[in-house]
Amino acid sequence: GQQVMQIPQYQHVQEGEDFTTYCNSSTTLSNIQWYKQRPGGHPVFLIQLVKSGEVKKQKRLTFQFGEAKKNSSLHITATQTTDVGTYFCAGRLNAGNMLTFGGGTRLMVKP
Amino acid sequence: DVKVTQSSRYLVKRTGEKVFLECVQDMDHENMFWYRQDPGLGLRLIYFSYDVKMKEKGDIPEGYSVSREKKERFSLILESASTNQTSMYLCASSSRGYTEAFFGQGTRLTVV
Repeated sequence: GQQVMQIPQYQHVQEGEDFTTYCNSSTTLSNIQWYKQRPGGHPVFLIQLVKSGEVKKQKRLTFQFGEAKKNSSLHITATQTTDVGTYFCAGRLNAGNMLTFGGGTRLMVKP
Repeated sequence: DVKVTQSSRYLVKRTGEKVFLECVQDMDHENMFWYRQDPGLGLRLIYFSYDVKMKEKGDIPEGYSVSREKKERFSLILESASTNQTSMYLCASSSRGYTEAFFGQGTRLTVV
């Protein structure tokens, strides 16, 4: 079964509200990556986290990697309609090169 | 500009046909991946290749095979297409190590 789980599957928010998606792995991850897929598009890389407890920011987006390197989160502050899309986490399990994706969280933003 | 190109955007095939999906990357990447994307299931890894002629099974390899004869090209083969293989297929590539993956535009395959 899928080793990288993501919740929630869907999220509707009003423009200006915050949004968070969570990613959990059954095994320790070497690193975690986040991707965004716009409707009709393909996944595009956002960021990579490697160190335990790492936090990175990109404007309104904040990414965290858990201390045990088994979980991660993406938080968007004050969503905008341009944030619409599906956000995926992806991790490398057991120091391998294979990239395993979570199920994704589809974000919908009402203007 | 980096590029991963998939041979077809849309494809319709009949049940039982042998289907080839081609992917080419121009970044000299060692790693190449084939995923399928279905609503609610995210991206599931079918096969992964880390070098020419080298491959590893992903989470859902059944009914598929792959070929990597040249570094830039990674082919996904459906030996005998079935309706449950109707899906969006995404190819990706990355360099060795912990680096980002670049995706192709996807091939929407319909098996009738």
